[in-house]
This record gives sequence, C-alpha cells and structure tokens, in this order.
Amino acid sequence: EDQVTQSPEALRLQEGESSSLNCSYTVSGLRGLFWYRQDPGKGPEFLFTLYSAGEEKEKERLKATLTKKESFLHITAPKPEDSATYLCAVQRETSGSRLTFGEGTQLTVNP
Amino acid sequence: NAGVTQTPKFQVLKTGQSMTLQCAQDMNHNSMYWYRQDPGMGLRLIYYSASEGTTDKGEVPNGYNVSRLNKREFSLRLESAAPSQTSVYFCASSALRTEIPYGYTFGSGTRLTVV
Repeated sequence: EDQVTQSPEALRLQEGESSSLNCSYTVSGLRGLFWYRQDPGKGPEFLFTLYSAGEEKEKERLKATLTKKESFLHITAPKPEDSATYLCAVQRETSGSRLTFGEGTQLTVNP
Repeated sequence: NAGVTQTPKFQVLKTGQSMTLQCAQDMNHNSMYWYRQDPGMGLRLIYYSASEGTTDKGEVPNGYNVSRLNKREFSLRLESAAPSQTSVYFCASSALRTEIPYGYTFGSGTRLTVV
C-alpha cells in the first residue's frame, strides 16, 4: 500500500525566513511525485511533478527536490501570500492516473 | 477558463436523505475523480473514471455511487446520507497519459454536512 507522510503538520515562519517542508513516501514503483498548494475554501492547485531522484523544479520562491525516499519543498524568503496548505501526492506505475495524497503541511507566513 | 465546476458549493442533509453532487470539466480531459477531504486524513479517493464509460472504486467507496454521464460530467450520489459522510468533496480531472505523470485540476469543492 502506498504511503505518504508530510512533516511538519504546521509551520509558522516570519516573512523572509526560509525553510523546507518534507514529504516521505513509500510506493512500489514511483511514476511521479506531485506538489499542490491549497488555499482555505479552495481546491488544490498543481505546482510541480517530479519524476526521478535528483530532479529539481522551481517556481518563484518554491523549489521542489526528490530523492528515492522523500521530497522537499524549499521556500526561500517567503511572503505572507505563500501562506497555504501544501500537499504532496504520489503516483504508482501500476495505478493508472490515480494519486495517493499526504495530509499536508499548513504554512503560515507572518509579515 | 472554467476548468472544473462543482455544484452545489454547500449542502446540509438530514440523515437518510439522498443527493447528487455534480461535476463538469471543459478541458477535454479523459479521467475524472471524486475525493473527500477530512481533517487529519487528507484527500481520499472515493471513485474515479479513467475514461468515458468506465468507473472504478477508490479507497473509500462505501455509501457512494457514481455516473460518468459523458466525457465532461461525472456525478457522485449519496443514496442514504450518514453523519460520517460529512466532509468536503472535491472533483478533479486529468488527461489520460499512461507514460507521463500529469497534474490534476481540482474543482472548488462541495461542503456537505449531514445532521
């Protein structure tokens, strides 16, 4: 059974204080690892897909990295508008297009 | 761009009542999904439809039924609502690409309370 564990559950940062969110996964045959952002009262919004260990992707202040056991979402010099819940999900090679999600990390960036 | 549209946005049901949650996408996606999101449990897959004409159970299908009406529409039905089905329901869609992972597009959710 695929498992995705995100840590920490919640993270409070001051504006400009860089940090990282962790996503540990157990899956037999990883096809892809996804990061989503979810704002309160809204559906998740796609950020990145990572396919193989060593891969990195960047978008504005966010950078996602992938190893064989975990992924990190690095947030550099965050701003209050980066406050959201960040979700990680994995797709197994044999599961078609289905994703298994972690519980998310709730990020709050204070001005 | 409308993307994925869910209706209604909010609903309160009494135990035992039935209702259908509607979902439509305008991106010509082949695959559609229904998830529920509960505090501390993340997003859990209820049912999905890999392509028009097919539906399959996900992780938590009990108490639900689905219909893939056409390529655009995928509905979720609660035949006899129970308090345990109080949740936020999300519909999502994706292109069918078997070799390359592809992100989902989610709707804005339906907040359902069963009393």
